Amino acid sequence: DAKTTQPPSMDCAEGRAANLPCNHSTISGNEYVYWYRQIHSQGPQYIIHGLKNNETNEMASLIITEDRKSSTLILPHATLRDTAVYYCIVSFTDKLIFGTGTRLQVFP
Amino acid sequence: GAVVSQHPSWVICKSGTSVKIECRSLDFQATTMFWYRQFPKQSLMLMATSNEGSKATYEQGVEKDKFLINHASLTLSTLTVTSAHPEDSSFYICSARGLTTDRGHEQFFGPGTRLTVL
Repeated sequence: DAKTTQPPSMDCAEGRAANLPCNHSTISGNEYVYWYRQIHSQGPQYIIHGLKNNETNEMASLIITEDRKSSTLILPHATLRDTAVYYCIVSFTDKLIFGTGTRLQVFP
Repeated sequence: GAVVSQHPSWVICKSGTSVKIECRSLDFQATTMFWYRQFPKQSLMLMATSNEGSKATYEQGVEKDKFLINHASLTLSTLTVTSAHPEDSSFYICSARGLTTDRGHEQFFGPGTRLTVL
């Protein structure tokens, strides 16, 4: 599976949009991009996934570049409860290999 | 969303004893379940893939005789840490993949089990 690169940490003001980048320059054509998050001492929570097209659900939006070498997870109106570690994973199988993720801190 | 439970949520045991952790999919059938381990301030590490009715597939470096996995039904997988030692103390998390194709690439994670070996 291709590796991903994420910034180790980010801050975001409550109510503002949080844009979390992810580089996956070696992604192959059949690999999906998944985003999960983990709030302290809990199991990871699925956020969104996509292949080529941008995706949106009730939690977030996923923007994938045309060359698929990078993506951005957008939380449109961050709240304090969105403080967590966010993981970007690429995979074409069921196996999810977690990297180090981005620790997002939402502040009042 | 689908719910995955784990039991117990935390356990403390003596060195040399065995501990069993259960992972259940509560409202869907899971053909495949996964077991992860997470040490403090580290990311999740995939230990093994468990398919209902067949032997688990272990990741490189994971001792299959130490971490026994059983997936006897479509809603239950168990992880038994045999002869536990203090270095096995960790946060163990399971996940389950559903049968439905519209969620075919979504995994549902349990809340985790914190194991402390004294």
